[in-house]
This record gives sequence, structure tokens and C-alpha cells, in this order.
Amino acid sequence: DIQMTQSPSSLSASAGDRVTITCRASQTIRTYLNWYQQKPGKAPKLLIYGASSLQSGVPSRFSGSGSGTDFTLTINSLQPEDSAIYYCLHTYSNPWTFGQGTKVETK
Amino acid sequence: EVQLVQSGAEVKKPGESLRISCKGSGYSFNTYWINWVRLLPGKGLEWMGRIDPSASVTNYNPSLQGLFTISVDTSITTAYLQWHNLKASDTGIYYCARRLTSSGAIYLDSWGQGTLVTVSS
Repeated sequence: DIQMTQSPSSLSASAGDRVTITCRASQTIRTYLNWYQQKPGKAPKLLIYGASSLQSGVPSRFSGSGSGTDFTLTINSLQPEDSAIYYCLHTYSNPWTFGQGTKVETK
Repeated sequence: EVQLVQSGAEVKKPGESLRISCKGSGYSFNTYWINWVRLLPGKGLEWMGRIDPSASVTNYNPSLQGLFTISVDTSITTAYLQWHNLKASDTGIYYCARRLTSSGAIYLDSWGQGTLVTVSS
């Protein structure tokens, strides 16, 4: 199985800050990497697919980059409504696996 | 509008059976694989498996295989997740999600609202 190591596990930042979350795969997954946002009591919401494509309707302050084994989710100008848990998900091969999640808090 | 609507919360005892559902609408149901993902208490998200509605072909997470069954009834555009011998460790929230593919990408774009399953004696 491909393991996804996500970091940090949590962070706290001020509104307007730039936030970066990383995901590292245990082997190459090319660009088969997606990012999701999950708020309490809600289903995960797709933010980024194919490592860097912004899902329709998602604010442009969210961006993704990377290929191979190293990936990054960046939130430019963090907003209070961005407080949530963020997960990466690889879809390169079975079984798909999620990162452990990053809890983002807005101060 | 694409919608996946899941059945309501369930409370069961260990050893009991359960089937939860996920009804798709607003798109060609047979065209897109339905996946199941779970969120266990204090844990992160875990991919369980998927089904191709057009052929009822399934793929399961090998670490979970045999613990549940995924099925579909295309006549009512509904996918199912079924257990025959529930355990307390099955307690959690279960989500269905639609799989999309595009050049260089495979992803889950639309999700059901989740079904809370509680297994307790």
C-alpha cells in the first residue's frame, strides 16, 4: 500500500496568513493527488484534484502543487471560514489512502 | 444538480446486520463509480471500496475485505453498504462519493451527507 504522510498534524494561524500543508507519498503517485476540506458534521469537500487543478466554485486562495511523491496545499490569505481539517488522498492505485489530516485553526 | 442522498442514522447491537443506502440523482448513475469512505471516532478518513454500477464490479480495500459488501440497484439509482456481523469497531460515519476521471486525475467530487452508524450493546 502507498502511505501518505501529511504534515503538520495541526496549525494555528491568523487571518490573512499564508498556510502550507504538505503530503508525501511512500512511492510515486504522479499527479493522482487530491485535497479535501472537512468541517465538523459535514462531508469532505473537494478543493484540488490532479495535484493542482482547482475544483469549480472553490476560492482561488486555495492552490495545490507537486508531482511524484511531494505535494503541497497552500491557502493564501487564510479566512476564518477556512478552519477545518484538511486531507490529501491519493488515487494512483488500490487501495486509495488518505493522509492523517491537518487541523487548521484561525486565531 | 448532482446529489447523493444517504439513509439515516442507525443504532445496532454487535452481531446484527445492517444495510445503508446512497441514492444518486442529477447525473447518469451508471456512468460513475460509487465509492464508500468512513470516518471512525478519533481517526481520519479511510477508503473502503467502490462499485461500477454498470457492471456491479467491486474493488475493496484489502485491509477491510470480507468485513462488508458493496452492491447497487441501478433501477433505483442506489448503492448499498452492508454488514452481516457488526462490531463495536464499526461505529462511525460512512460516506458515499462519486468518482470522476479526467486527464491525469481521478477524484471524488460529490459526496453524500454521511450516515452515522452506532454499534453498541
